[in-house]
Amino acid sequence: TVVTQEPSLTVSPGGTVTLTCASSTGSVTGGHHPNWFQQKPGQAPRALIYSTSNKESWTPARFSGFLLGDKAALTLSGVQPEDEAEYFCLLYCGDDFWVFGGGTKLTVL
Amino acid sequence: EVQLVESGGDLVQPGRSLRLSCAASGFTFSDYWMTWVRQSPGKGLEWVANIRPDGSGTYYVDSVKGRFTISRDNAKNSLYLQLNSLRAEDTAVYYCARGGNAFDEAQYWGQGTLVTVS
Repeated sequence: TVVTQEPSLTVSPGGTVTLTCASSTGSVTGGHHPNWFQQKPGQAPRALIYSTSNKESWTPARFSGFLLGDKAALTLSGVQPEDEAEYFCLLYCGDDFWVFGGGTKLTVL
Repeated sequence: EVQLVESGGDLVQPGRSLRLSCAASGFTFSDYWMTWVRQSPGKGLEWVANIRPDGSGTYYVDSVKGRFTISRDNAKNSLYLQLNSLRAEDTAVYYCARGGNAFDEAQYWGQGTLVTVS
């Protein structure tokens, strides 16, 4: 299974951006339990979303996860400069096996 | 406060072995799935392996099956990853992560330990 994300996106401060996560095996569904992570340079990843849309206790309200067509999606609304980071999705592919996407570098400009 | 501290990373020659450890604190270790994730320099994340709370089941990415072994010692609040037959492509920062609720695969992360195979 190959999980594909946009390599890079740019958004203006205060704007809205949607990142997507696709699977080579077909549509991403709730059964893939999409997880989303944020990673800033030199830091460990930080969990944001699990099972499509559930937020961690520390996840800002401006982040939301959902299914968009045949993909998983993460929307940032009212983007802040500190949201500049790389974002990774993680899909459950059955038999207790997970696959990360290649990551999206988000630039806030 | 949940804390995960990895150790054991080193520079090793191809074909050699290494054992990584992850010391956990701040939670009941035996209640949670644990996972190893790696990140090659300048690259993305790769899910490597995970293990059930009681250690009864272990799961691996195909590229490490037969070479790596994940294990845990719940009495010592510790997670391990035994890396055998190391290859250059195993060079990466190895993170341990704790699961959360169901399908919250990696809720908390350590800071990682660097393994260089050269």
